[in-house]
Amino acid sequence: AQSVTQPDIHITVSEGASLELRCNYSYGATPYLFWYVQSPGQGLQLLLKYFSGDTLVQGIKGFEAEFKRSQSSFNLRKPSVHWSDAAEYFCAVGAGGADGLTFGKGTHLIIQP
Amino acid sequence: SAVISQKPSRDICQRGTSLTIQCQVDSQVTMMFWYRQQPGQSLTLIATANQGSEATYESGFVIDKFPISRPNLTFSTLTVSNMSPEDSSIYLCSVDGQGEETQYFGPGTRLLVL
Repeated sequence: AQSVTQPDIHITVSEGASLELRCNYSYGATPYLFWYVQSPGQGLQLLLKYFSGDTLVQGIKGFEAEFKRSQSSFNLRKPSVHWSDAAEYFCAVGAGGADGLTFGKGTHLIIQP
Repeated sequence: SAVISQKPSRDICQRGTSLTIQCQVDSQVTMMFWYRQQPGQSLTLIATANQGSEATYESGFVIDKFPISRPNLTFSTLTVSNMSPEDSSIYLCSVDGQGEETQYFGPGTRLLVL
């Protein structure tokens, strides 16, 4: 069965500092990997996705993620965070198409001024 | 990406009653999905709805409790039946971006059961 682990429940980062959110997955085939962000009271917004090809993918809002097959990881990074980045971040894995997604438990990002 | 709307955006209901949540998409999509997000938790897939066929439910979810309709390619409903306080959650629908192998989510329906 597929699973996603986000080991950090909460992360606090100073505004302007760099950010890395960790995601490890367990999947039997080539995974489709996603990062979504959920701001308070909002739905989920897609940040970026990886299916194949270049293992470093760029997303919206200055985020990027790197797929490392050997480590079963898909960590999200941003070089300089803004106060508006405070939100809940979810990593998800799926098979694409008609299959639903399996989500990690999420990481709550707090931005310190 | 598709534009997805859900109605109602939030509701407060009494235990034992039922609530039907609507999900509308601005374009035709093959697959629609329903997820539950319990307070402080992650998202869990309830079922997958393909137009013209019965919904496919995940383990732990049954049709009697969460009946789903998918009458056309732009619309779906999820009913939460015989509600209890444990059903208090955010219910989100999502759709597959045609040809994108990606799911896009609606804004969610926040349900509180008293």
